[in-house]
Formats: sequence, structure tokens, C-alpha cells
Amino acid sequence: DTGVSQNPRHKITKRGQNVTFRCDPISEHNRLYWYRQTLGQGPEFLTYFQNEAQLEKSRLLSDRFSAERPKGSFSTLEIQRTEQGDSAMYLCASSDIRKANTEAFFGQGTRLTVV
Amino acid sequence: GEDVEQSLFLSVREGDSSVINCTYTDSSSTYLYWYKQEPGAGLQLLTYIFSNMDMKQDQRLTVLLNKKDKHLSLRIADTQTGDSAIYFCAESGSSNTGKLIFGQGTTLQVKP
Repeated sequence: DTGVSQNPRHKITKRGQNVTFRCDPISEHNRLYWYRQTLGQGPEFLTYFQNEAQLEKSRLLSDRFSAERPKGSFSTLEIQRTEQGDSAMYLCASSDIRKANTEAFFGQGTRLTVV
Repeated sequence: GEDVEQSLFLSVREGDSSVINCTYTDSSSTYLYWYKQEPGAGLQLLTYIFSNMDMKQDQRLTVLLNKKDKHLSLRIADTQTGDSAIYFCAESGSSNTGKLIFGQGTTLQVKP
């Protein structure tokens, strides 16, 4: 297993366009998280899944954002009608609920630039 | 609410020890973590400490936890130029969802 994989690594889009990112977690991990990181800040929690169920969404996740995890494997994060304020690094992480320390492994992230 | 604070910048000479400090607000956090982020990369877990411990050592890394003051520190012994990165402190918060609350990160600059 190569760890958490995110695609694409970079995305430049025009304001108003829709974008979709993909995350492939570590294969046996049942929890998957999305975070957003802006320049000079730490990652901020957006949402998480346990298997295919989306169990929590941050108030940062506006109506233009939607995340899915069909079949409890890979996940997608879609942003509709992108705005310049959406420019950030989007990080995905996964963890195994069976491990007590809930250690989360992060992907390399998708850097979104909205022009 | 949940909040994590870190100093923004630390500069040390190669071979010296580095100490990065963090304060957090949620006393019910079960685990506290230190992550490292190199330029353009994701986050790498360095170490973590369970809340009922006050110290954990892992090779060059020593984590100290003062639960009364809600203060966490990371000491890196014999700091190398390859240790230059941004270090994030994170707490697990009061829920058992596994979501993390991160500080804003401390940039460690190691001068040769």
C-alpha cells in the first residue's frame, strides 16, 4: 500500500467553474477525513466519513461543497461555482477506527487555485 | 471552544536542540499529536502522546505534556538542516470522531 493518494496534485480553475478532487485512502482504513489548509494556517476540518456514511460536516463546508464516499472506499470532494476564497490546499486523511490512537495518515493534498 | 496556539517561528543552529511549544484548550482531548510539513507536501505524523502521560521519547524527539496548564512541547535533539519544516500541534478534541484541531504551525529554520 502506498499510503493516501490524492488527485490531482494541482488544479487551476476559473471562478464559477466546478471542480472535483479524489482521495484514495489506505485500503483497510474505515475513516476518511477532508481538511482545508490556507497559506500560513493549519489544516481545518471539513468533513469525515466512517465507511460510506458522512458523519460530520463543519460549518466551513458551504452548500457549494459536497463530499461522497460510495462503497466506503475512495472519496470525492466537489466544489461548485468556485470562488477565489476557495483557493487552498485540500488534504485528505484516513485512519483505522480499530486502533486506539486514531492515528491519521495524510495524503499529499490537492492545491486549488481559483483565478 | 477548541483552540490550539503555537508560536510562529523558531530559528536554531545545526546541532542545537529545538523546542516548539503549543497550548490547547480542550482538556478532554485523549491524544495530542505533532505533525511535520515540508514545502508543498502533506503532513507527516512525527509522534503523539496519550493524555495520561507526561513525557514520551522517540529517538531525537521528546514530547512533554503539562495537562494542568494544557501545554505541549516538542524537543528535537541535535537539530539537522533536514528538520527545517513547519511543525503542527494537534489535539483530538472531546469527540471520538478522530478529527483533529490543528495549531497554525511553527516554522523551524535550521541554520548550518
